[in-house]
Amino acid sequence: AQTVTQSQPEMSVQEAETVTLSCTYDTSESDYYLFWYKQPPSRQMILVIRQEAYKQQNATENRFSVNFQKAAKSFSLKISDSQLGDAAMYFCAYRSARGGSEKLVFGKGTKLTVNP
Amino acid sequence: NAGVTQTPKFQVLKTGQSMTLQCAQDMNHNSMYWYRQDPGMGLRLIYYSASEGTTDKGEVPNGYNVSRLNKREFSLRLESAAPSQTSVYFCASSGSFVADTQYFGPGTRLTVL
Repeated sequence: AQTVTQSQPEMSVQEAETVTLSCTYDTSESDYYLFWYKQPPSRQMILVIRQEAYKQQNATENRFSVNFQKAAKSFSLKISDSQLGDAAMYFCAYRSARGGSEKLVFGKGTKLTVNP
Repeated sequence: NAGVTQTPKFQVLKTGQSMTLQCAQDMNHNSMYWYRQDPGMGLRLIYYSASEGTTDKGEVPNGYNVSRLNKREFSLRLESAAPSQTSVYFCASSGSFVADTQYFGPGTRLTVL
């Protein structure tokens, strides 16, 4: 079974600085998708960024980018120019590309605090 | 754009009571999901529906039933609530393909006393 590990329960960053959140996963599959979701205090789960395992190029979305290391099974999220609104729980998630594998497998999350 | 909506937002039940959580999506998605989120943990899949008329068990289905009422609506029922079912419940939907992203509703916080 696939597992996702987020080794940093909490992180903090100064406003306008850069922070990197770590995620590792365990799978025997070669084709899959990886996601970072943000959960602010409102509880809403918001997709931040996604990465297809077959793509070598790292995904980017404005201030958010990932460092995808397939061989190392690592998928870290970099937030540049951190803003107060980035404060939230961040969850890394894995989904198999195999048909019938419907579920997302989530890590336990990293709580990000942004200090003014 | 409503996206995925859930009702109610909060609910308190006594042990043994029953209730149904409602979920609806307006994105014309075929697949819908129910997850639960417990403190210090990520979300875990309870049930999912790959298409209208089908439902399948996820990782933690015990104590729950689901109904895919139509393409838009997917409900989760607790027949006899237990304190272990105290959690935050999220509904999600996605397109038909494994590549499609899942989009989440705002969640329902359920407390069972």
